[in-house]
Amino acid sequence: GAVVSQHPSRVICKSGTSVKIECRSLDFQATTMFWYRQFPKKSLMLMATSNEGSKATYEQGVEKDKFLINHASLTLSTLTVTSAHPEDSSFYICSASSPGPTTIGYTFGSGTRLTVV
Amino acid sequence: AQSVTQLGSHVSVSEGALVLLRCNYSSSVPPYLFWYVQYPNQGLQLLLKYTSAATLVKGINGFEAEFKKSETSFHLTKPSAHMSDAAEYFCAVSVGGGATNKLIFGTGTLLAVQP
Repeated sequence: GAVVSQHPSRVICKSGTSVKIECRSLDFQATTMFWYRQFPKKSLMLMATSNEGSKATYEQGVEKDKFLINHASLTLSTLTVTSAHPEDSSFYICSASSPGPTTIGYTFGSGTRLTVV
Repeated sequence: AQSVTQLGSHVSVSEGALVLLRCNYSSSVPPYLFWYVQYPNQGLQLLLKYTSAATLVKGINGFEAEFKKSETSFHLTKPSAHMSDAAEYFCAVSVGGGATNKLIFGTGTLLAVQP
């Protein structure tokens, strides 16, 4: 089945530094990837949608300059949290999809727990 | 605009009892609906999805859900709960009605299974 690999699973960084999270589709080409943020005991909040080779579409209220998304290939999307602050601490999850008659639908990565100290 | 509402943030059942997790949707177009399960500190695993085919959808781990247009519901059920079913469950609707459009999630239901 479709597999999405997300790394790292956990990261602790100092306030003011940047952190990059990778999301890879291992056995299919993901033309569209989604990035979500999940607060403790809360639902998933969509941050942005990225399509391979084009700029990401951010949801209202999400800072584009703080959460940089790159989708340079059909198998890799990255989320970079720039100048991280403690309030950016959260669980980040990526999801990949692919169109076509055998649409896989949505496959989720295992998530990244970001702690900013 | 599409949305889903999950009634009951916490549901507790005894092992072997029926599991019923409720989800109601709102959509201006024929919806694609999904149920996901999340274990602590993990991503989401697809249980099942409705994509306008059969209204009764069978998923993994013995779960199933029935799409009822008249009630705008897509409740998740399992005849007999196992301890391993304890997790967070999310109902989601695909915005725009297509399987590759973005998902909007409900607020989740935490299922506890008592021995």
